[in-house]
Amino acid sequence: DAKTTQPNSMESNEEEPVHLPCNHSTISGTDYIHWYRQLPSQGPEYVIHGLTSNVNNRMASLAIAEDRKSSTLILHRATLRDAAVYYCILRDWLVSYDKVIFGPGTSLSVIP
Amino acid sequence: SAVISQKPSRDICQRGTSLTIQCQVDSQVTMMFWYRQQPGQSLTLIATANQGSEATYESGFVIDKFPISRPNLTFSTLTVSNMSPEDSSIYLCSVRTGLANEKLFFGSGTQLSVL
Repeated sequence: DAKTTQPNSMESNEEEPVHLPCNHSTISGTDYIHWYRQLPSQGPEYVIHGLTSNVNNRMASLAIAEDRKSSTLILHRATLRDAAVYYCILRDWLVSYDKVIFGPGTSLSVIP
Repeated sequence: SAVISQKPSRDICQRGTSLTIQCQVDSQVTMMFWYRQQPGQSLTLIATANQGSEATYESGFVIDKFPISRPNLTFSTLTVSNMSPEDSSIYLCSVRTGLANEKLFFGSGTQLSVL
């Protein structure tokens, strides 16, 4: 499985933008980049995913490097509710029975 | 989307006993997974629950310890057998509703403490 590397932890001030980086230098052409987050005492929830182009949804934006070897999850305005562990995961869309393997993720703290 | 009901939400068990965790989904799903999350750690995949056949276990997990059933497309159980304190973890059910690369949905987990 292609692997990802994320910082263990990050801090952000409330109402400021947050940029969460992810490195995936061994990404293959059929790997999508997925982001999930896990709020305290909850199961993970889907945030966003993309292949090559930048993506936006109501939760966040995903910026993908031109060579696809890195990506950045952008929270435009952090709130206290965004304090969570964020996981960057690669998923191969050609694999029908793909299993999702979680790395350590980035623990985001939001300071009031 | 999928709404997952996982039961029990938490339990405290004695060493040597077994606990069965249920995962019920409100719609038919293509794949179901069971994860374990030890305190302060990330999620570890235990197995893929296959409908009508034996589950596919990841390295380090065996059927005798973690028997899994999936009798239909909306329900699965995970049993933690002959428990020891090392089994104290959160156990999470996850489902995929469509084709490969579709998003995963997670239950809220079962917090298990073994005394």
